[in-house]
Amino acid sequence: NAGVTQTPKFQVLKTGQSMTLQCAQDMNHEYMSWYRQDPGMGLRLIHYSVGAGITDQGEVPNGYNVSRSTTEDFPLRLLSAAPSQTSVYFCASSRDRVNTEAFFGQGTRLTVV
Amino acid sequence: AQSVTQPDIHITVSEGASLELRCNYSYGATPYLFWYVQSPGQGLQLLLKYFSGDTLVQGIKGFEAEFKRSQSSFNLRKPSVHWSDAAEYFCAVGASGGSYIPTFGRGTSLIVHP
Repeated sequence: NAGVTQTPKFQVLKTGQSMTLQCAQDMNHEYMSWYRQDPGMGLRLIHYSVGAGITDQGEVPNGYNVSRSTTEDFPLRLLSAAPSQTSVYFCASSRDRVNTEAFFGQGTRLTVV
Repeated sequence: AQSVTQPDIHITVSEGASLELRCNYSYGATPYLFWYVQSPGQGLQLLLKYFSGDTLVQGIKGFEAEFKRSQSSFNLRKPSVHWSDAAEYFCAVGASGGSYIPTFGRGTSLIVHP
């Protein structure tokens, strides 16, 4: 049972490059979300989705795009990477609006130089 | 908007001692509350959750938490800490009338001395 799978685990980008962080879940969960984790800041919500075709912004959405074409996948796109986007990124999913327990992937450590 | 405060950035305890990690939330209605643990280099694992009912909830690894509406608190406790409990602990609130996406506190780092 894979749960939530994130790829890649590590990535180094140059300033201005773009890339996509992949997230897939096999639990048929409606809700998916992306967080970034920075020292002393906890987890901050970037974007989230409450179902295929529906996305919304979280606390820190600038510089990131998302789409949700299928229930399983929720990729996060960095449009033009900046050093301030150096962080650990976590994808999470939860079943629905009643059972909101979040299941997390193992994270992607991104460094922008 | 909902928010979560974890007032302690670091907590140091001796192995075998009791533990209490503090969490205060801000939300107008009855919230869904969670505690997660993160070991170094790992993702987050759910320790326990409160949705309704009994205000004392039991979780995995011997942890428990008590929901106190009057204090807007959801503190995590363990009677006897093991060295393997050293990790980062996050309290989260998931609104029962909003986006249903959890909001996390900044975390408390637990250090366990032998």
